[in-house]
This record gives sequence, C-alpha cells and structure tokens, in this order.
Amino acid sequence: GAVVSQHPSWVICKSGTSVKIECRSLDFQATTMFWYRQFPKQSLMLMATSNEGSKATYEQGVEKDKFLINHASLTLSTLTVTSAHPEDSSFYICSAPREPDRDSNQPQHFGDGTRLSIL
Amino acid sequence: GQSLEQPSEVTAVEGAIVQINCTYQTSGFYGLSWYQQHDGGAPTFLSYNALDGLEETGRFSSFLSRSDSYGYLLLQELQMKDSASYFCAVGFDYGQNFVFGPGTRLSVLP
Repeated sequence: GAVVSQHPSWVICKSGTSVKIECRSLDFQATTMFWYRQFPKQSLMLMATSNEGSKATYEQGVEKDKFLINHASLTLSTLTVTSAHPEDSSFYICSAPREPDRDSNQPQHFGDGTRLSIL
Repeated sequence: GQSLEQPSEVTAVEGAIVQINCTYQTSGFYGLSWYQQHDGGAPTFLSYNALDGLEETGRFSSFLSRSDSYGYLLLQELQMKDSASYFCAVGFDYGQNFVFGPGTRLSVLP
C-alpha cells in the first residue's frame, strides 16, 4: 500500500485563493520531503526541499513567499500556494526518502499528486 | 549543473523488447532510478541502481554503468498497458535529492 499520502488529489478554485496541500509519510519518519511541480507533457521539476525543524530550501526561481512550506512534524509537510493564479495551475507531487529495506530498494516514495486548477 | 538525457519518444509493438537509455552529467551521484507515469497519474517506481550492473524485476530490468554515466531501462514482452512516460532520475546524496530526466514517451502498438 501507499507509504506517502498526499491530499487533496484535486483542487479547483478561484484566482486569489490560497491552497494547502498535505504530504504525510504513513509508516516511517521523514526529516526531509521534496515538493515537485509538473506541467503537462513535461518532467518533474523540484521546487523545494522541506526540512523538519528548519526552513525549507527553495530551488532557483521558486518564490518562497508564494509557495509556503511547513514541515510540522516528522511525518507531515505542507505546501501552501498563496494567492494562486491561473499560471500556478499544475500537478504538484511530494516525495519522501526512505531507507531501502528487505521489501523494497525504492529510495524515494511519491504521493499520488495534487492537480491544482485555478480559474 | 545537472543534466539528464533520454529519447523523447519510442514506439514498439506488443511483445517486443524496448530499451530506454539515460545519460547524465551531474556534480554528484548516489543512484539511478526509473519511474513510470501514466497520463494524469503520479510516478510509479520501477527500478533502482546504486551500483554497476543489471537489476531485474519481472519484465523490467535496469542497468547502470557509473564510469560511463549511463543507464538504461529494458522492457520485455511489451503490453499495451506499458504505454506511458518513463523517467530516469539521479539522486545526489542519501537524502536522495532527485533530478528527473525529460522523460520518454513509450507507445505500444497492437
């Protein structure tokens, strides 16, 4: 089953609204989580690294005041898109690294993504 | 900077074998992962190579040569459901900060 849970899966809202997306690691602790954005027919682009207990690290060109990240606990990171506009419409995906174990050598677990549509 | 290259599109028929290559130029390297993504869905993990050689998982295999900064994903006995985008991704440290390749769109024809 899923080891990273992301909610909501789909958001449609008016321009100017702020939208919060949650990412939870379900059965392991994640001191670090990653947030990606994907536009149609493009690759995933890393937006920021969420660090538990400290400020997020943003990639070049990503506005930290626009995309607020809070890593409130060892199992929860949130991304808030503030005052969203149509150009913010995209697919947002979180991930968390996990040490490979006997069941899986997968180094990174992804949430199911959030499709954000701003009208 | 970091860059990964993949072919943009590949087309094959059911039952065939397809190899999707990935070359990378990065300032660090911890491992190469492969993900499948169907339209509208999230990436699904396929395979991971931290060391040189071949990893086999059912119909899918992945290969890595760190000296050549090169890897590939091999898909055997292609099925229609394999039509999707395939991404290679390089991790840079154990925190697995990933950079994704541009993706390869695979179309499987009957």
